Amino acid sequence: DGGITQSPKYLFRKEGQNVTLSCEQNLNHDAMYWYRQDPGQGLRLIYYSQIVNDFQKGDIAEGYSVSREKKESFPLTVTSAQKNPTAFYLCASNKADRGNQPQHFGDGTRLSIL
Amino acid sequence: AQSVTQPDIHITVSEGASLELRCNYSYGATPYLFWYVQSPGQGLQLLLKYFSGDTLVQGIKGFEAEFKRSQSSFNLRKPSVHWSDAAEYFCAVGTFKAAGNKLTFGGGTRVLVKP
Repeated sequence: DGGITQSPKYLFRKEGQNVTLSCEQNLNHDAMYWYRQDPGQGLRLIYYSQIVNDFQKGDIAEGYSVSREKKESFPLTVTSAQKNPTAFYLCASNKADRGNQPQHFGDGTRLSIL
Repeated sequence: AQSVTQPDIHITVSEGASLELRCNYSYGATPYLFWYVQSPGQGLQLLLKYFSGDTLVQGIKGFEAEFKRSQSSFNLRKPSVHWSDAAEYFCAVGTFKAAGNKLTFGGGTRVLVKP
């Protein structure tokens, strides 16, 4: 079955360390997204990409970086500049069409600080 | 800029009772509206969507939602709640711009189901 795979499910970061969250999709979707979820705050958009080798900052991009070298993959790096990285991170994808295409979500990665 | 408000942070409902979750949006054009459900530690699953046409839309798991333009609302309803409906529910509005389409989410409503 087609879907979005996020790994790892749980991740721990040491102070000053960069960590990378993986997101892979086999839905043949053009667009991919990264969200951060904190309790009681809903989802906030970090980065999104409509096409390979191109991506845009979302609402809370500071301290994060992404790449989009392949259509299927959109990894997110949480850098040491992100001072409060503890959160649940969700990856999503959809057809890069009009705004009426629903986004499909992975099962998330929970990042904690050691 | 678009925004979505879900006024109720928590709702407790008895099993078998009806459920209504409120969603109000702010957007200058015709909105694309979505409801998602999230079980603990999981991703989001699409319940239903509204783009145009009939203002009452049916979704999965027995949910429906009604779009009311005059009230800028898109409330979610279920006639009879099951214990498995305990989850967090998110309303979202979609926008399309040259830079790509984006979703703006409300803060979510957590539903607790009493036996």
